[in-house]
Amino acid sequence: ETGVTQSPTHLIKTRGQQVTLRCSSQSGHNTVSWYQQALGQGPQFIFQYYREEENGRGNFPPRFSGLQFPNYSSELNVNALELDDSALYLCASSNRQDGSYEQYFGPGTRLTVT
Amino acid sequence: AQSVSQHNHHVILSEAASLELGCNYSYGGTVNLFWYVQYPGQHLQLLLKYFSGDPLVKGIKGFEAEFIKSKFSFNLRKPSVQWSDTAEYFCAVRRTGFQKLVFGTGTRLLVSP
Repeated sequence: ETGVTQSPTHLIKTRGQQVTLRCSSQSGHNTVSWYQQALGQGPQFIFQYYREEENGRGNFPPRFSGLQFPNYSSELNVNALELDDSALYLCASSNRQDGSYEQYFGPGTRLTVT
Repeated sequence: AQSVSQHNHHVILSEAASLELGCNYSYGGTVNLFWYVQYPGQHLQLLLKYFSGDPLVKGIKGFEAEFIKSKFSFNLRKPSVQWSDTAEYFCAVRRTGFQKLVFGTGTRLLVSP
Protein backbone atom coordinates (compact mmCIF):
# COMPACT_ATOMS: atom_id res chain seq x y z
CA GLU A 1 0.00 0.00 0.00
CA THR A 2 1.48 3.34 -1.07
CA GLY A 3 1.21 6.14 1.43
CA VAL A 4 0.58 9.82 0.82
CA THR A 5 3.32 11.47 -1.18
CA GLN A 6 4.01 15.15 -1.74
CA SER A 7 6.24 17.10 -4.06
CA PRO A 8 8.45 18.98 -3.98
CA THR A 9 10.04 18.43 -0.58
CA HIS A 10 11.39 21.95 -0.31
CA LEU A 11 10.72 25.11 -2.26
CA ILE A 12 12.01 28.66 -2.11
CA LYS A 13 9.98 31.42 -3.74
CA THR A 14 10.03 35.19 -3.83
CA ARG A 15 7.24 37.37 -2.52
CA GLY A 16 4.61 37.96 -5.20
CA GLN A 17 5.31 34.72 -7.05
CA GLN A 18 2.95 31.80 -7.47
CA VAL A 19 3.51 28.21 -6.33
CA THR A 20 1.94 24.82 -6.99
CA LEU A 21 2.29 21.95 -4.56
CA ARG A 22 1.30 18.39 -5.39
CA CYS A 23 -0.11 15.48 -3.46
CA SER A 24 -0.83 11.86 -4.32
CA SER A 25 -3.35 10.27 -2.03
CA GLN A 26 -3.02 6.88 -0.43
CA SER A 27 -4.35 3.97 -2.43
CA GLY A 28 -8.10 3.58 -1.92
CA HIS A 29 -8.61 7.13 -0.63
CA ASN A 30 -10.94 9.56 -2.38
CA THR A 31 -10.61 12.69 -0.24
CA VAL A 32 -7.69 15.08 0.11
CA SER A 33 -7.26 17.78 2.74
CA TRP A 34 -4.59 20.46 2.82
CA TYR A 35 -3.14 22.00 5.97
CA GLN A 36 -0.64 24.78 6.65
CA GLN A 37 1.71 24.29 9.59
CA ALA A 38 3.61 27.41 10.58
CA LEU A 39 6.67 27.07 12.78
CA GLY A 40 5.71 26.21 16.33
CA GLN A 41 2.04 25.79 15.50
CA GLY A 42 -0.34 22.97 14.84
CA PRO A 43 -1.62 22.33 11.31
CA GLN A 44 -4.32 24.73 10.13
CA PHE A 45 -7.01 23.47 7.74
CA ILE A 46 -6.92 25.14 4.33
CA PHE A 47 -9.52 23.15 2.39
CA GLN A 48 -10.64 19.68 1.40
CA TYR A 49 -11.42 18.12 -1.96
CA TYR A 50 -13.86 15.32 -2.62
CA ARG A 51 -15.09 14.22 -6.04
CA GLU A 52 -12.97 16.94 -7.60
CA GLU A 53 -14.80 19.71 -5.78
CA GLU A 54 -13.89 21.85 -2.81
CA ASN A 55 -15.71 20.48 0.22
CA GLY A 56 -15.03 22.76 3.13
CA ARG A 57 -12.58 25.62 3.54
CA GLY A 58 -10.73 27.12 6.44
CA ASN A 59 -9.90 30.76 7.09
CA PHE A 60 -7.61 31.27 4.10
CA PRO A 61 -7.93 33.92 1.37
CA PRO A 62 -8.98 33.10 -2.21
CA ARG A 63 -5.37 33.25 -3.41
CA PHE A 64 -5.15 29.76 -1.92
CA SER A 65 -6.84 27.45 -4.40
CA GLY A 66 -6.76 23.81 -5.29
CA LEU A 67 -7.68 21.04 -7.63
CA GLN A 68 -8.43 17.38 -7.36
CA PHE A 69 -7.97 15.09 -10.32
CA PRO A 70 -9.91 11.94 -11.33
CA ASN A 71 -7.16 9.77 -9.81
CA TYR A 72 -7.76 11.63 -6.49
CA SER A 73 -4.41 13.38 -6.54
CA SER A 74 -4.49 17.06 -5.73
CA GLU A 75 -2.73 20.39 -6.15
CA LEU A 76 -2.53 23.39 -3.89
CA ASN A 77 -1.91 26.70 -5.63
CA VAL A 78 -0.94 29.87 -3.85
CA ASN A 79 -0.85 33.16 -5.77
CA ALA A 80 0.81 36.43 -4.81
CA LEU A 81 2.99 34.81 -2.17
CA GLU A 82 3.54 36.68 1.07
CA LEU A 83 6.30 36.22 3.63
CA ASP A 84 3.77 34.76 6.09
CA ASP A 85 3.03 31.95 3.64
CA SER A 86 6.34 30.39 4.67
CA ALA A 87 5.32 27.14 6.32
CA LEU A 88 5.11 23.37 6.01
CA TYR A 89 2.18 22.42 3.78
CA LEU A 90 0.65 19.07 4.60
CA CYS A 91 -1.61 16.94 2.52
CA ALA A 92 -3.81 14.30 4.12
CA SER A 93 -5.93 11.69 2.40
CA SER A 94 -8.90 9.76 3.67
CA ASN A 95 -11.73 7.57 2.49
CA ARG A 96 -15.01 9.35 2.94
CA GLN A 97 -17.00 6.13 2.56
CA ASP A 98 -15.38 4.12 5.33
CA GLY A 99 -16.76 6.31 8.11
CA SER A 100 -13.49 6.46 10.01
CA TYR A 101 -12.60 10.03 9.01
CA GLU A 102 -9.04 9.00 9.71
CA GLN A 103 -6.65 11.18 7.76
CA TYR A 104 -3.26 9.95 6.65
CA PHE A 105 -0.65 12.65 6.29
CA GLY A 106 2.15 13.04 3.82
CA PRO A 107 5.64 14.29 4.68
CA GLY A 108 4.84 17.85 3.66
CA THR A 109 6.36 20.51 1.44
CA ARG A 110 8.49 23.13 3.18
CA LEU A 111 7.83 26.49 1.47
CA THR A 112 10.08 29.43 2.16
CA VAL A 113 9.07 32.84 0.83
CA THR A 114 11.80 35.48 0.72
CA ALA B 1 -14.98 29.25 16.99
CA GLN B 2 -13.89 25.75 17.78
CA SER B 3 -10.48 25.59 19.43
CA VAL B 4 -8.19 22.98 20.88
CA SER B 5 -5.87 23.75 23.78
CA GLN B 6 -2.77 21.85 24.71
CA HIS B 7 -1.50 23.31 27.95
CA ASN B 8 1.95 21.77 28.00
CA HIS B 9 4.13 23.17 25.24
CA HIS B 10 7.33 21.46 26.33
CA VAL B 11 7.69 18.41 28.56
CA ILE B 12 10.94 16.82 29.66
CA LEU B 13 10.89 13.38 31.27
CA SER B 14 13.33 10.67 32.17
CA GLU B 15 12.87 7.19 30.77
CA ALA B 16 10.33 5.09 32.70
CA ALA B 17 8.51 8.19 33.97
CA SER B 18 4.77 8.40 33.44
CA LEU B 19 3.33 10.78 30.89
CA GLU B 20 0.11 12.75 30.75
CA LEU B 21 -0.48 15.42 28.13
CA GLY B 22 -3.53 17.60 28.44
CA CYS B 23 -5.99 18.45 25.67
CA ASN B 24 -9.16 20.48 25.98
CA TYR B 25 -11.56 21.56 23.25
CA SER B 26 -14.20 24.24 23.18
CA TYR B 27 -16.95 22.78 21.01
CA GLY B 28 -20.04 21.51 22.87
CA GLY B 29 -21.50 19.20 20.24
CA THR B 30 -20.55 15.69 19.22
CA VAL B 31 -16.90 15.41 18.29
CA ASN B 32 -14.34 12.89 17.18
CA LEU B 33 -10.99 13.13 18.94
CA PHE B 34 -7.51 12.24 17.79
CA TRP B 35 -3.92 12.26 18.98
CA TYR B 36 -1.23 12.47 16.33
CA VAL B 37 2.54 12.14 16.83
CA GLN B 38 5.34 13.60 14.75
CA TYR B 39 8.72 11.96 15.34
CA PRO B 40 11.80 13.96 14.35
CA GLY B 41 12.08 14.05 10.57
CA GLN B 42 8.90 12.06 10.04
CA HIS B 43 5.35 12.88 9.08
CA LEU B 44 2.29 13.02 11.31
CA GLN B 45 1.05 9.61 12.39
CA LEU B 46 -2.14 8.68 14.17
CA LEU B 47 -1.63 7.44 17.73
CA LEU B 48 -5.24 6.85 18.65
CA LYS B 49 -8.77 8.10 18.09
CA TYR B 50 -12.11 8.28 19.85
CA PHE B 51 -15.45 8.19 18.08
CA SER B 52 -17.88 6.65 20.54
CA GLY B 53 -18.24 3.96 23.17
CA ASP B 54 -15.64 3.28 25.85
CA PRO B 55 -14.11 6.64 26.75
CA LEU B 56 -10.77 5.00 27.45
CA VAL B 57 -9.09 4.28 24.14
CA LYS B 58 -5.85 2.48 23.53
CA GLY B 59 -3.50 3.30 20.71
CA ILE B 60 -0.18 2.22 19.36
CA LYS B 61 3.07 2.00 21.32
CA GLY B 62 1.37 1.71 24.72
CA PHE B 63 -0.43 5.07 24.57
CA GLU B 64 -3.96 5.56 25.80
CA ALA B 65 -6.32 8.49 26.16
CA GLU B 66 -9.43 9.18 28.18
CA PHE B 67 -12.36 11.19 26.91
CA ILE B 68 -14.11 13.09 29.71
CA LYS B 69 -17.13 14.73 28.13
CA SER B 70 -17.99 16.87 31.16
CA LYS B 71 -14.52 18.39 31.11
CA PHE B 72 -14.21 18.64 27.31
CA SER B 73 -10.91 16.83 27.69
CA PHE B 74 -9.03 14.08 25.92
CA ASN B 75 -5.76 13.60 27.78
CA LEU B 76 -3.02 11.35 26.48
CA ARG B 77 -1.22 8.98 28.86
CA LYS B 78 1.58 6.45 28.89
CA PRO B 79 2.65 4.64 32.07
CA SER B 80 6.33 4.45 31.21
CA VAL B 81 7.96 6.49 28.47
CA GLN B 82 10.95 5.49 26.41
CA TRP B 83 13.64 7.57 24.75
CA SER B 84 12.01 6.70 21.41
CA ASP B 85 8.86 8.57 22.48
CA THR B 86 10.69 11.86 21.96
CA ALA B 87 8.45 13.65 19.48
CA GLU B 88 5.82 16.34 19.09
CA TYR B 89 2.27 15.36 20.01
CA PHE B 90 -0.84 16.99 18.58
CA CYS B 91 -4.39 16.72 19.77
CA ALA B 92 -7.06 17.19 17.08
CA VAL B 93 -10.83 17.46 17.05
CA ARG B 94 -13.34 16.88 14.29
CA ARG B 95 -16.82 18.22 14.70
CA THR B 96 -19.45 15.72 13.57
CA GLY B 97 -20.69 16.62 10.09
CA PHE B 98 -17.55 18.52 9.20
CA GLN B 99 -14.46 17.19 7.53
CA LYS B 100 -11.72 19.39 8.89
CA LEU B 101 -9.50 18.56 11.81
CA VAL B 102 -8.76 21.35 14.27
CA PHE B 103 -5.36 20.87 15.85
CA GLY B 104 -3.85 22.10 19.06
CA THR B 105 -0.48 23.83 19.02
CA GLY B 106 1.35 20.67 19.98
CA THR B 107 3.48 19.47 22.89
CA ARG B 108 7.16 18.76 22.42
CA LEU B 109 8.20 15.78 24.55
CA LEU B 110 11.85 15.11 25.25
CA VAL B 111 12.68 11.85 26.99
CA SER B 112 16.17 11.65 28.39
CA PRO B 113 17.84 8.23 28.62
